[in-house]
Amino acid sequence: QKEVEQNSGPLSVPEGAIASLNCTYSDRGSQSFFWYRQYSGKSPELIMFIYSNGDKEDGRFTAQLNKASQYVSLLIRDSQPSDSATYLCAAEAGGGADGLTFGKGTHLIIQP
Amino acid sequence: KAGVTQTPRYLIKTRGQQVTLSCSPISGHRSVSWYQQTPGQGLQFLFEYFSETQRNKGNFPGRFSGRQFSNSRSEMNVSTLELGDSALYLCASRPGTVKETQYFGPGTRLLVL
Repeated sequence: QKEVEQNSGPLSVPEGAIASLNCTYSDRGSQSFFWYRQYSGKSPELIMFIYSNGDKEDGRFTAQLNKASQYVSLLIRDSQPSDSATYLCAAEAGGGADGLTFGKGTHLIIQP
Repeated sequence: KAGVTQTPRYLIKTRGQQVTLSCSPISGHRSVSWYQQTPGQGLQFLFEYFSETQRNKGNFPGRFSGRQFSNSRSEMNVSTLELGDSALYLCASRPGTVKETQYFGPGTRLLVL
């Protein structure tokens, strides 16, 4: 069974620091990886996607992918209180046969 | 561009009833996926439609079904509702093929009593 694992947290980070969120996946056929942010009572909002090994940067966010270790991470620099949310990691197989497989999310709290 | 819209936003039903949820994708998007989100199981994939055809299906019982119309709008139906069907039902759209980002609608919160 395809699984995406995340530490549920809560992960508490001081304002201005770097928040590091991690995710592992079981299906070696996974090709596409996504990070979504979900505020309480709201729907998931895309933060980043990554397809290739290495780092991908977008503003304060950096996604990292290591397919050999089946590991994906999200770094948030200069964390702000508005970054407090649940972060969902998702993986999709190359053929897209099973839609997105989501982790259960990491609850991030940025302390002012 | 307008985002993904879902109706209704909230719904209360009783066990044994059936329910139909609607999703309108972002203009130009031909793929619509449905997900169920519960506190215990998280976000789980139900099915994906592309050009009026079901492309993929998750591990849910046959009580869960869907369809897509020629304008890409999609409906999801749950028959013989059970208490455990209480969840947030999310619709996501993307232009077409896999490897493209899915954009979520606001969801329909279903409560089964």
